[in-house]
Amino acid sequence: NFMLTQPHSVSESPGKTVTISCTRSSGSIASNYVQWYQQRPGSSPTTVIYEDNQRPSGVPDRFSGSIDSSSNSASLTISGLKTEDEADYYCQSYDSSNQVFGGGTKLTVL
Amino acid sequence: QVQLQESGPGLVKPSQTLSLTCTVSGGSISSGDYYWSWIRQPPGKGLEWIGYIYYSGSTYYNPSLKSRVTISVDTSKNQFSLKLSSVTAADTAVYYCAQQQLVTQTFDYWGQGTLVTVSS
Repeated sequence: NFMLTQPHSVSESPGKTVTISCTRSSGSIASNYVQWYQQRPGSSPTTVIYEDNQRPSGVPDRFSGSIDSSSNSASLTISGLKTEDEADYYCQSYDSSNQVFGGGTKLTVL
Repeated sequence: QVQLQESGPGLVKPSQTLSLTCTVSGGSISSGDYYWSWIRQPPGKGLEWIGYIYYSGSTYYNPSLKSRVTISVDTSKNQFSLKLSSVTAADTAVYYCAQQQLVTQTFDYWGQGTLVTVSS
């Protein structure tokens, strides 16, 4: 089994850019797709990035994803921050058939 | 648009078995393109994958919960179910069912979630 480690919290001002990291503890980050989910208080998670860097329809292009094999990590970048982006963000990947979520990052837009 | 709805008791006594059902509408659980998953979230904490089932009945469980988990499917009712045995207070959580893409492993549709509290 592997773990996905995210920062507990990040904060940034409206209009700025923020990046949330997700580091894989073992195995290559490039071996299996990474997804990112947004969860607002009291709601179910929704997908903002799938297959490392793909946006579902309806997700603004302010959201982008990438992976970095040198640091064995994935990143979610949100540009032009809006107050509505304030939420918890989770990365997710897998190994064989085992699914793993990161611990989540609380994004505060202040 | 696929919709998923969890149902089951909101309160379970310690040492008993938690049972939940997920009803799928707007799509067929017999589609070979998806896994059907259960995920939980303790209050104020992160997401934990419990396991999934394929329409054929094949299952895969989180190794940390495997000894207590059973997931089954009823294709005639377009439903799948979760049983978690020997529950303790640590199993108190919001339980979600979700559709998971076979190829990308993306959880693309989620139920609204149901809170299950373990307490005597």
